[in-house]
Amino acid sequence: DTGVSQDPRHKITKRGQNVTFRCDPISEHNRLYWYRQTLGQGPEFLTYFQNEAQLEKSRLLSDRFSAERPKGSFSTLEIQRTEQGDSAMYLCASSPQITQYFGPGTRLTVL
Amino acid sequence: GIQVEQSPPDLILQEGANSTLRCNFSDSVNNLQWFHQNPWGQLINLFYIPSGTKQNGRLSATTVATERYSLLYISSSQTTDSGVYFCAVAGRMIKAAGNKLTFGGGTRVLVKP
Repeated sequence: DTGVSQDPRHKITKRGQNVTFRCDPISEHNRLYWYRQTLGQGPEFLTYFQNEAQLEKSRLLSDRFSAERPKGSFSTLEIQRTEQGDSAMYLCASSPQITQYFGPGTRLTVL
Repeated sequence: GIQVEQSPPDLILQEGANSTLRCNFSDSVNNLQWFHQNPWGQLINLFYIPSGTKQNGRLSATTVATERYSLLYISSSQTTDSGVYFCAVAGRMIKAAGNKLTFGGGTRVLVKP
């Protein structure tokens, strides 16, 4: 059990560019979650996968955001046409059933 | 959706002191977790405690589900306890398969040597 890993850890991009983040969950965890955390706030739910199926999406997930989990293993979160308001920490969590375990996050800065 | 409030928002402690952090939530829950977020942003699991009492070293937690609150106790605080403590819950009434967490605003703890 190596824990949840995320890549990259930091990303700086210019407004209008596309970015993609990767999350590798704990092996055999069939549930995977994405959250976003802005400075001084608690994390907010974005989306949830059970195996490869995306079962729930927050209203925070605009049409510029897309997430996938092919084959129920790793997941990617893509943001198209980034805006300065997208600057945040993007956190991934995995769970075997109830308890969620978080990765180290990807910190995105949009200039 | 479910609401989560944490108090106090900020806490300054002298090393060795004890403290209590509180989490109030607005509805029945089937998951309640306490996390410590370190300065690098990593959320570290402290407790899964939808009800009852648990202890882990100098930390302990109690959740009174019927009264919709949870308490986190830090005893003999150390400088390494500094950081932000979050309470997060998943409401019982949401889709059973989802279990998404709603976080409180956190308690920022600074332990001075």
